[in-house]
Amino acid sequence: DTEVTQTPKHLVMGMTNKKSLKCEQHMGHRAMYWYKQKAKKPPELMFVYSYEKLSINESVPSRFSPECPNSSLLNLHLHALQPEDSALYLCASSQVRMVQGGQPQHFGDGTRLSIL
Amino acid sequence: ILNVEQSPQSLHVQEGDSTNFTCSFPSSNFYALHWYRWETAKSPEALFVMTLNGDEKKKGRISATLNTKEGYSYLYIKGSQPEDSATYLCAFMKGRWGAQKLVFGQGTRLTINP
Repeated sequence: DTEVTQTPKHLVMGMTNKKSLKCEQHMGHRAMYWYKQKAKKPPELMFVYSYEKLSINESVPSRFSPECPNSSLLNLHLHALQPEDSALYLCASSQVRMVQGGQPQHFGDGTRLSIL
Repeated sequence: ILNVEQSPQSLHVQEGDSTNFTCSFPSSNFYALHWYRWETAKSPEALFVMTLNGDEKKKGRISATLNTKEGYSYLYIKGSQPEDSATYLCAFMKGRWGAQKLVFGQGTRLTINP
């Protein structure tokens, strides 16, 4: 069983809808990540939160709005998405330790998003 | 090399055979190289975090080596089993601790034929 829980597993929404993706972990990790993965492509980083503060935004369009309300939760708010935003959205978490090489990331199963 | 490249893209191996595949990455400003296994309908699972030139790590029948000077890492699987069928992703870590940024390769899709 994955230790990072993402909901929902599947989401179909219209271009005018507003929805949110949720991610939860209880491993005490203080870094959390959102990735986007298109078919036959590798995961691409969207956002990184470190100690509940946004530390990396990979020039993601503003129709994607991340939120980290506490150390266990990460949300991705979606509004006015485009068909090309259809993808698998993966959440991950890791420890934040000052060691060389960083820490392995623990991934959720993802949310499969389809934009009509 | 500017990006992370993996080869081959796909591989079919007979059960019991050993196999290996390659990850190439930029050799400058190296911090770490991560390996993940991603089975269909599951989440990616961390295999190794490799940091030192010449590093060799092992987890059961899977091992990995690292050459940071020339910018490549090999993943080896000894005596392949059907449960090894998965996509194997390597990821080059950019930046330092606190805000890791992993850049993933395209992956090697491994299929073990019984």
